[in-house]
Amino acid sequence: KAGVTQTPRYLIKTRGQQVTLSCSPISGHRSVSWYQQTPGQGLQFLFEYFSETQRNKGNFPGRFSGRQFSNSRSEMNVSTLELGDSALYLCASSSLGRGGSQETQYFGPGTRLLVL
Amino acid sequence: DAKTTQPPSMDCAEGRAANLPCNHSTISGNEYVYWYRQIHSQGPQYIIHGLKNNETNEMASLIITEDRKSSTLILPHATLRDTAVYYCIVRVAKGGKLIFGQGTELSVKP
Repeated sequence: KAGVTQTPRYLIKTRGQQVTLSCSPISGHRSVSWYQQTPGQGLQFLFEYFSETQRNKGNFPGRFSGRQFSNSRSEMNVSTLELGDSALYLCASSSLGRGGSQETQYFGPGTRLLVL
Repeated sequence: DAKTTQPPSMDCAEGRAANLPCNHSTISGNEYVYWYRQIHSQGPQYIIHGLKNNETNEMASLIITEDRKSSTLILPHATLRDTAVYYCIVRVAKGGKLIFGQGTELSVKP
């Protein structure tokens, strides 16, 4: 099976712009989670989607949003970019979608965003 | 906050076993222990997980103490490609999110 894919892999934006990142989960996986990784804060959970519904949300401002489509593909959007949004954005998918501890999340390679 | 404590760094000689410890003294009875690793800021790679029994797969072994307050990830024959940051995560019983700590930076040396 193909793994989780994320596009684009690299992105440069300027402050104030907005950006949309895309994630295609492993075939058959219905749950998609997003994480942000920065040198200062480490890996932090952004949100999780299952069946086109946001099931869980981390502690990020409303500028960060996401959605999931009927084919389980997901996008996240960051509006009004700030310098501090420069980070590696990671997407992970899992199969069962029931939210239990036994669901294993598999990560994509990430999108590296640089905000100038 | 992460519910685990790991040493910030460890060294291991190539070909030897790497034993990475993790403390999770507040773990609940229905929470699993997961291990991931991250190489060169790539996406984290799933290694193994367990509830209370020891687990083994093609990558590693996971030893969980009887009281479940700590665990050890064992890479039986470390190679240079095992150099990475290793994260021990206690997975919340409901909800999909993983709470990452700072992890252990493992350096495998020739």
